[in-house]
Amino acid sequence: DAKTTQPTSMDCAEGRAANLPCNHSTISGNEYVYWYRQIHSQGPQYIIHGLKNNETNEMASLIITEDRKSSTLILPHATLRDTAVYYCIVGDGGSQGNLIFGKGTKLSVKP
Amino acid sequence: GAVVSQHPSWVICKSGTSVKIECRSLDFQATTMFWYRQFPKQSLMLMATSNEGSKATYEQGVEKDKFLINHASLTLSTLTVTSAHPEDSSFYICSARVPSSGNTIYFGEGSWLTVV
Repeated sequence: DAKTTQPTSMDCAEGRAANLPCNHSTISGNEYVYWYRQIHSQGPQYIIHGLKNNETNEMASLIITEDRKSSTLILPHATLRDTAVYYCIVGDGGSQGNLIFGKGTKLSVKP
Repeated sequence: GAVVSQHPSWVICKSGTSVKIECRSLDFQATTMFWYRQFPKQSLMLMATSNEGSKATYEQGVEKDKFLINHASLTLSTLTVTSAHPEDSSFYICSARVPSSGNTIYFGEGSWLTVV
Protein backbone atom coordinates (compact mmCIF):
# COMPACT_ATOMS: atom_id res chain seq x y z
CA ASP A 1 0.00 0.00 0.00
CA ALA A 2 1.04 3.58 -0.63
CA LYS A 3 2.59 5.29 2.36
CA THR A 4 1.37 8.76 1.45
CA THR A 5 -1.88 10.70 1.66
CA GLN A 6 -2.74 13.40 -0.85
CA PRO A 7 -5.87 15.41 -1.59
CA THR A 8 -7.85 13.94 -4.44
CA SER A 9 -7.98 17.12 -6.46
CA MET A 10 -6.93 20.76 -6.48
CA ASP A 11 -7.48 23.77 -8.70
CA CYS A 12 -5.00 26.52 -9.41
CA ALA A 13 -5.22 29.70 -11.45
CA GLU A 14 -2.81 30.02 -14.33
CA GLY A 15 0.26 32.02 -13.36
CA ARG A 16 -0.21 31.46 -9.67
CA ALA A 17 1.78 29.12 -7.47
CA ALA A 18 0.42 25.62 -7.03
CA ASN A 19 1.09 24.12 -3.62
CA LEU A 20 0.47 20.38 -3.45
CA PRO A 21 0.57 18.82 0.03
CA CYS A 22 1.50 15.28 0.96
CA ASN A 23 1.41 13.47 4.27
CA HIS A 24 3.88 10.66 4.92
CA SER A 25 3.79 10.23 8.67
CA THR A 26 5.27 6.72 8.63
CA ILE A 27 8.32 7.61 6.55
CA SER A 28 11.51 5.84 7.59
CA GLY A 29 14.81 7.56 8.17
CA ASN A 30 16.36 6.27 4.95
CA GLU A 31 13.35 6.95 2.71
CA TYR A 32 13.22 9.76 0.20
CA VAL A 33 10.18 11.74 -0.88
CA TYR A 34 9.67 11.58 -4.65
CA TRP A 35 7.27 13.56 -6.78
CA TYR A 36 6.12 12.50 -10.22
CA ARG A 37 3.33 13.71 -12.42
CA GLN A 38 1.33 12.01 -15.13
CA ILE A 39 -0.25 13.88 -17.94
CA HIS A 40 -3.11 12.03 -19.55
CA SER A 41 -2.05 8.96 -21.54
CA GLN A 42 1.65 9.37 -20.86
CA GLY A 43 4.16 7.71 -18.58
CA PRO A 44 4.93 9.42 -15.25
CA GLN A 45 7.40 12.27 -15.40
CA TYR A 46 9.97 12.74 -12.66
CA ILE A 47 9.77 16.14 -10.96
CA ILE A 48 11.93 16.24 -7.87
CA HIS A 49 12.95 14.31 -4.78
CA GLY A 50 14.48 14.97 -1.38
CA LEU A 51 15.52 13.34 1.87
CA LYS A 52 15.26 16.04 4.51
CA ASN A 53 16.48 19.30 3.02
CA ASN A 54 14.34 21.47 0.81
CA GLU A 55 15.10 21.04 -2.87
CA THR A 56 14.61 23.18 -5.94
CA ASN A 57 15.10 22.52 -9.62
CA GLU A 58 13.90 24.01 -12.86
CA MET A 59 10.48 22.45 -12.50
CA ALA A 60 9.53 22.85 -8.87
CA SER A 61 10.47 23.24 -5.23
CA LEU A 62 10.06 20.61 -2.56
CA ILE A 63 9.55 21.68 1.04
CA ILE A 64 9.90 18.91 3.64
CA THR A 65 8.91 19.55 7.23
CA GLU A 66 11.54 19.15 9.89
CA ASP A 67 9.93 15.99 11.27
CA ARG A 68 9.68 14.70 7.66
CA LYS A 69 6.09 13.67 8.16
CA SER A 70 4.80 15.89 5.39
CA SER A 71 5.96 17.79 2.36
CA THR A 72 4.74 20.31 -0.19
CA LEU A 73 5.48 20.46 -3.87
CA ILE A 74 5.45 23.99 -5.22
CA LEU A 75 5.03 24.87 -8.88
CA PRO A 76 5.90 28.57 -8.76
CA HIS A 77 4.02 29.74 -11.83
CA ALA A 78 1.51 27.14 -12.94
CA THR A 79 0.62 26.91 -16.61
CA LEU A 80 -2.19 25.05 -18.34
CA ARG A 81 0.34 22.38 -19.29
CA ASP A 82 0.89 21.62 -15.62
CA THR A 83 -2.58 20.07 -15.45
CA ALA A 84 -1.86 16.48 -14.46
CA VAL A 85 -2.07 13.93 -11.67
CA TYR A 86 0.74 14.51 -9.17
CA TYR A 87 2.06 11.58 -7.19
CA CYS A 88 3.96 11.85 -3.92
CA ILE A 89 5.86 8.64 -3.19
CA VAL A 90 8.23 7.61 -0.44
CA GLY A 91 10.91 5.04 -1.04
CA ASP A 92 14.52 4.29 -0.40
CA GLY A 93 17.18 5.37 -2.84
CA GLY A 94 18.63 1.91 -3.18
CA SER A 95 19.38 0.32 -6.49
CA GLN A 96 16.70 -2.31 -6.18
CA GLY A 97 13.75 -0.50 -4.71
CA ASN A 98 10.61 0.20 -6.71
CA LEU A 99 7.96 2.91 -6.38
CA ILE A 100 4.50 2.24 -5.04
CA PHE A 101 1.94 4.70 -6.40
CA GLY A 102 -1.05 6.02 -4.50
CA LYS A 103 -3.95 7.81 -6.13
CA GLY A 104 -2.23 11.17 -6.37
CA THR A 105 -3.69 14.65 -6.67
CA LYS A 106 -5.43 15.76 -9.84
CA LEU A 107 -4.26 19.34 -10.37
CA SER A 108 -6.34 21.42 -12.72
CA VAL A 109 -4.79 24.69 -13.81
CA LYS A 110 -7.46 27.08 -15.03
CA PRO A 111 -7.12 30.21 -17.17
CA GLY B 1 15.25 13.68 -23.73
CA ALA B 2 13.81 10.32 -22.83
CA VAL B 3 16.07 7.94 -21.01
CA VAL B 4 13.63 5.02 -20.99
CA SER B 5 11.82 4.15 -24.18
CA GLN B 6 8.97 1.76 -24.89
CA HIS B 7 7.76 0.21 -28.09
CA PRO B 8 5.15 0.06 -29.40
CA SER B 9 3.25 3.09 -28.13
CA TRP B 10 0.02 1.35 -28.85
CA VAL B 11 -1.00 -2.04 -30.15
CA ILE B 12 -4.24 -3.78 -31.01
CA CYS B 13 -4.32 -7.56 -31.00
CA LYS B 14 -6.90 -10.26 -31.36
CA SER B 15 -8.08 -12.21 -28.37
CA GLY B 16 -5.99 -15.33 -27.85
CA THR B 17 -2.85 -14.00 -29.44
CA SER B 18 0.34 -12.85 -27.74
CA VAL B 19 1.86 -9.41 -27.84
CA LYS B 20 5.31 -8.21 -26.86
CA ILE B 21 6.19 -4.81 -25.42
CA GLU B 22 9.78 -3.63 -25.30
CA CYS B 23 11.41 -1.37 -22.74
CA ARG B 24 14.83 0.03 -23.49
CA SER B 25 17.25 2.03 -21.40
CA LEU B 26 18.91 4.67 -23.51
CA ASP B 27 22.60 5.38 -22.88
CA PHE B 28 22.71 3.54 -19.58
CA GLN B 29 22.65 0.02 -18.29
CA ALA B 30 19.70 -1.13 -16.24
CA THR B 31 20.14 -4.30 -14.22
CA THR B 32 16.62 -3.84 -12.91
CA MET B 33 13.51 -2.59 -14.65
CA PHE B 34 9.96 -2.38 -13.35
CA TRP B 35 6.70 -3.10 -15.15
CA TYR B 36 3.45 -1.40 -14.21
CA ARG B 37 -0.11 -1.64 -15.45
CA GLN B 38 -2.66 1.15 -15.32
CA PHE B 39 -6.38 0.82 -15.99
CA PRO B 40 -8.42 3.90 -16.90
CA LYS B 41 -8.92 6.35 -14.04
CA GLN B 42 -6.75 4.26 -11.76
CA SER B 43 -3.22 4.56 -10.44
CA LEU B 44 -0.20 2.57 -11.56
CA MET B 45 0.04 -0.94 -10.19
CA LEU B 46 3.42 -2.64 -10.01
CA MET B 47 3.33 -5.95 -11.86
CA ALA B 48 6.86 -7.22 -11.65
CA THR B 49 10.51 -6.43 -11.25
CA SER B 50 12.65 -7.47 -14.18
CA ASN B 51 16.19 -8.57 -13.34
CA GLU B 52 18.89 -8.87 -15.98
CA GLY B 53 20.05 -12.44 -16.35
CA SER B 54 17.61 -13.92 -13.86
CA LYS B 55 13.93 -14.53 -13.33
CA ALA B 56 11.56 -11.66 -12.80
CA THR B 57 9.92 -11.11 -9.45
CA TYR B 58 6.15 -10.86 -9.72
CA GLU B 59 3.78 -9.04 -7.42
CA GLN B 60 1.06 -10.98 -5.69
CA GLY B 61 -1.85 -11.71 -7.99
CA VAL B 62 0.11 -11.28 -11.23
CA GLU B 63 0.26 -14.46 -13.30
CA LYS B 64 3.84 -15.10 -14.29
CA ASP B 65 2.85 -17.54 -17.01
CA LYS B 66 0.59 -14.96 -18.60
CA PHE B 67 2.91 -11.99 -18.34
CA LEU B 68 6.28 -13.25 -19.48
CA ILE B 69 9.19 -10.98 -18.70
CA ASN B 70 12.59 -11.34 -20.29
CA HIS B 71 15.54 -9.14 -19.38
CA ALA B 72 18.20 -10.62 -21.62
CA SER B 73 20.46 -7.60 -21.84
CA LEU B 74 21.36 -4.60 -19.72
CA THR B 75 19.37 -2.29 -21.96
CA LEU B 76 16.27 -4.28 -22.85
CA SER B 77 13.40 -5.85 -20.96
CA THR B 78 10.37 -7.30 -22.71
CA LEU B 79 6.87 -7.99 -21.43
CA THR B 80 4.88 -10.55 -23.39
CA VAL B 81 1.18 -10.79 -22.73
CA THR B 82 0.29 -14.34 -23.69
CA SER B 83 -3.15 -15.49 -24.81
CA ALA B 84 -4.42 -11.97 -24.42
CA HIS B 85 -8.02 -11.32 -23.49
CA PRO B 86 -10.03 -8.09 -23.54
CA GLU B 87 -9.57 -7.70 -19.79
CA ASP B 88 -5.81 -7.40 -20.42
CA SER B 89 -6.44 -4.18 -22.30
CA SER B 90 -4.53 -1.57 -20.34
CA PHE B 91 -1.71 0.95 -20.29
CA TYR B 92 1.61 -0.81 -19.62
CA ILE B 93 4.53 1.26 -18.36
CA CYS B 94 8.12 0.36 -17.61
CA SER B 95 10.70 2.16 -15.54
CA ALA B 96 14.34 1.93 -14.60
CA ARG B 97 16.79 3.55 -12.23
CA VAL B 98 19.27 5.84 -13.92
CA PRO B 99 22.69 5.63 -12.22
CA SER B 100 23.90 8.96 -13.59
CA SER B 101 20.91 10.68 -11.97
CA GLY B 102 21.48 9.36 -8.48
CA ASN B 103 19.46 6.22 -9.20
CA THR B 104 16.34 8.26 -9.82
CA ILE B 105 13.62 6.16 -11.46
CA TYR B 106 12.52 7.26 -14.89
CA PHE B 107 9.52 5.94 -16.76
CA GLY B 108 8.91 5.06 -20.36
CA GLU B 109 6.20 6.65 -22.46
CA GLY B 110 3.86 3.74 -21.88
CA SER B 111 2.22 1.26 -24.24
CA TRP B 112 -1.50 1.07 -24.82
CA LEU B 113 -2.74 -2.46 -25.39
CA THR B 114 -6.21 -3.08 -26.75
CA VAL B 115 -7.36 -6.68 -27.09
CA VAL B 116 -10.33 -7.16 -29.38
